[in-house]
Amino acid sequence: GAVVSQHPSWVICKSGTSVKIECRSLDFQATTMFWYRQFPKQSLMLMATSNEGSKATYEQGVEKDKFLINHASLTLSTLTVTSAHPEDSSFYICSASRDKNTGELFFGEGSRLTVL
Amino acid sequence: GIQVEQSPPDLILQEGANSTLRCNFSDSVNNLQWFHQNPWGQLINLFYIPSGTKQNGRLSATTVATERYSLLYISSSQTTDSGVYFCCVVTSGTYKYIFGTGTRLKVLA
Repeated sequence: GAVVSQHPSWVICKSGTSVKIECRSLDFQATTMFWYRQFPKQSLMLMATSNEGSKATYEQGVEKDKFLINHASLTLSTLTVTSAHPEDSSFYICSASRDKNTGELFFGEGSRLTVL
Repeated sequence: GIQVEQSPPDLILQEGANSTLRCNFSDSVNNLQWFHQNPWGQLINLFYIPSGTKQNGRLSATTVATERYSLLYISSSQTTDSGVYFCCVVTSGTYKYIFGTGTRLKVLA
């Protein structure tokens, strides 16, 4: 299967700082990547669709100034949590589809953010 | 938007037992996938199954798109099957992947 890699796996930061999470497609080019957020014991919630070379599309209720998404190349999308606060602590996970015909989705390992 | 409900929400099995997990969706879908989320949070692809039936070892899945549901069968369950199972759909006309509510499975030795 396709490989999507996410980094870092764990991050702890102080309140008010910004954190960047990287998502890479290792063996295919991804014009579109997806960012999800997951709270403990809950399902995955789609935050935004990251489009290579253009602005991300955010879901309703997701603050685009808080969660900055950049998709500068066909293999890399980044999510920056700006001025992080404890309520931003969560599990963030990215995904991409290699084949636009089938649309089969592959996920990164996820990044667990803890804001102190 | 589309609603994706999974049942049961929680399931406890003895090792060796069989189970059926269900995914109901409220609108037409183009794609459907089943994932297993392990204790470390990693999502493992189980099946890409927008329609029909597939089998992979002890696991099999069936999607009846016209009736808007999919089933995941686990036979001879093992403790390593524990975790959360999600279905994920893409609705017709959109390019959004929406996750179901999940089934939390625990298999006891």
